[in-house]
Amino acid sequence: ETGVTQSPTHLIKTRGQQVTLRCSSQSGHNTVSWYQQALGQGPQFIFQYYREEENGRGNFPPRFSGLQFPNYTSELNVNALELDDSALYLCASSLDLAGGGYEQYFGPGTRLTVT
Amino acid sequence: GDSVTQMEGPVTLSEEAFLTINCTYTATGYPSLFWYVQYPGEGLQLLLKATKADDKGSNKGFEATYRKETTSFHLEKGSVQVSDSAVYFCALRRSGGSNYKLTFGKGTLLTVNP
Repeated sequence: ETGVTQSPTHLIKTRGQQVTLRCSSQSGHNTVSWYQQALGQGPQFIFQYYREEENGRGNFPPRFSGLQFPNYTSELNVNALELDDSALYLCASSLDLAGGGYEQYFGPGTRLTVT
Repeated sequence: GDSVTQMEGPVTLSEEAFLTINCTYTATGYPSLFWYVQYPGEGLQLLLKATKADDKGSNKGFEATYRKETTSFHLEKGSVQVSDSAVYFCALRRSGGSNYKLTFGKGTLLTVNP
């Protein structure tokens, strides 16, 4: 059973640019969640995808968007980057079934720095 | 909305000392409660969980009991080791609803000195 992987590990972008972060879920997991962890803070929920459709969103603007693919990979896209977007971005995969959610397995994260 | 409050850190202990990290929560219904640990430069690892009132989660010598009456889920360990140095996050997941997002506290940095 492979774990959750994320790429790239680190990324530096300039304000106003666009960025795509990638996540590879554990095989068989139908749900991926993305979280933003600012320095010294707990992770904040961005959104969740279940079977390739958005299934809940936190308090983040529309310039944060995502995709989930059938091959257990997913993307987080951020447009018009702002300095405050600098953070560790975590993805977590899980196998969620009707009536219950199960353990979320986290990847190591992508450290995004916006200058 | 849902929220989790953890004791402020950092916490510095000597090896073999007793550890308590307080966690209280606000949520409707009966959420599941979790403790995650984050080692330097790594993602989050699930440490333990409890899904209903009075459940005790335990792992690697750590324990936490789901207290519905006090809305608490305090983390304890009887004898910490240097290798326990990490950031600890308390989290909840609401039961029911359309998604299973986690709501985290701000984290507590634990440093254990030899």
